[in-house]
Amino acid sequence: DGGITQSPKYLFRKEGQNVTLSCEQNLNHDAMYWYRQDPGQGLRLIYYSQIVNDFQKGDIAEGYSVSREKKESFPLTVTSAQKNPTAFYLCASKFGQTTNEKLFFGSGTQLSVL
Amino acid sequence: AQSVTQLGSHVSVSEGALVLLRCNYSSSVPPYLFWYVQYPNQGLQLLLKYTSAATLVKGINGFEAEFKKSETSFHLTKPSAHMSDAAEYFCAVSDLTGTASKLTFGTGTRLQVTL
Repeated sequence: DGGITQSPKYLFRKEGQNVTLSCEQNLNHDAMYWYRQDPGQGLRLIYYSQIVNDFQKGDIAEGYSVSREKKESFPLTVTSAQKNPTAFYLCASKFGQTTNEKLFFGSGTQLSVL
Repeated sequence: AQSVTQLGSHVSVSEGALVLLRCNYSSSVPPYLFWYVQYPNQGLQLLLKYTSAATLVKGINGFEAEFKKSETSFHLTKPSAHMSDAAEYFCAVSDLTGTASKLTFGTGTRLQVTL
């Protein structure tokens, strides 16, 4: 089945530790996105990538890093510089670069601080 | 930049009653607008989208939304609520200000359906 897979479903981070969230898609989509979801704040864009080997900062990129070495994969690293990492992280993708195409979402990763 | 405002973070309706979830947008150009639904501990899925073809848009699960330029609104409605409609709903607008293609989401409205 085609879709987006996020792993792990739950992740715990210790102080000063970097952690990486995985996002893989087999939909052959060009564009991929990372959103952070906090209660009452909706979704906020962290990073996005329109094509392989290219990515741009979203609205809240500080404390995060990404890579896009393969079309299928867009991992997100939450660095120790992110002082408030506890949130639900959602990865999404879509075909092409037109603005009216829908996003396909993964089932999310809940990150918590120990 | 485009933005959306969702009025009411929580809405409660009885089963069988009308569902009305409000969304107002701000845009300097004709926008593309979307409604997504999120069930607990899951990602979002598209309910419907407006791309200027028709002002009344029908989506999945009996939902529809009407684009009203004069009111800058894109409210989501369903004539008769079902228990399975309980979820969080997000309105979103597509960013048309640059070459990037990304969505800006509202803060969400949690729909509760009671017996």
